[in-house]
Amino acid sequence: QQQVKQSPQSLIVQKGGISIINCAYENTAFDYFPWYQQFPGKGPALLIAIRPDVSEKKEGRFTISFNKSAKQFSLHIMDSQPGDSATYFCAASWRTGTASKLTFGTGTRLQVTL
Amino acid sequence: NAGVMQNPRHLVRRRGQEARLRCSPMKGHSHVYWYRQLPEEGLKFMVYLQKENIIDESGMPKERFSAEFPKEGPSILRIQQVVRGDSAAYFCASFTGRTGELFFGEGSRLTVL
Repeated sequence: QQQVKQSPQSLIVQKGGISIINCAYENTAFDYFPWYQQFPGKGPALLIAIRPDVSEKKEGRFTISFNKSAKQFSLHIMDSQPGDSATYFCAASWRTGTASKLTFGTGTRLQVTL
Repeated sequence: NAGVMQNPRHLVRRRGQEARLRCSPMKGHSHVYWYRQLPEEGLKFMVYLQKENIIDESGMPKERFSAEFPKEGPSILRIQQVVRGDSAAYFCASFTGRTGELFFGEGSRLTVL
């Protein structure tokens, strides 16, 4: 119930193409959905995040689409660049008592080719 | 405002030794997560701590692993009697405790010989 299912596991996109990564969840108590980007040898860093009261959020070339009824959200990377090659993790957060917990998807390795 | 600081960045231990990994959260953050990541794999939740309190340790192995986050000082992840399977990157992340951004450190990479 606390899981977030992420797909695909890996993705190869040509430079200039659109990269799409999907996540699905079951727990309707989730109230915050961030995406993290991780480069090799580095810690994950927040890329973009959305709350369930909006259906889309865009920051530059990165867009989150959120479908509350389907319990799905996705990351779209427009005009993908080789520098976008990294591992992407979706996540979901929920409150429990005085704490806020976060669970991650299994990650998607994106490779953008020239 | 310094980010999340983890040390050591790299640690080599022989089987049976102890490993201590430290995490200093961002200023103002009272909540810390620890994650383990094997090469080419995802982030595996280990433990979630608030100062002087363990909120969720369901991801921690029952034996040899312990974690603390004292009132003063960094959070410590301690692994006793390390085995080769403990070799991994261990990431710490901190946040305010309210829903919001989790800030990750650069990780501590443990190698067990």
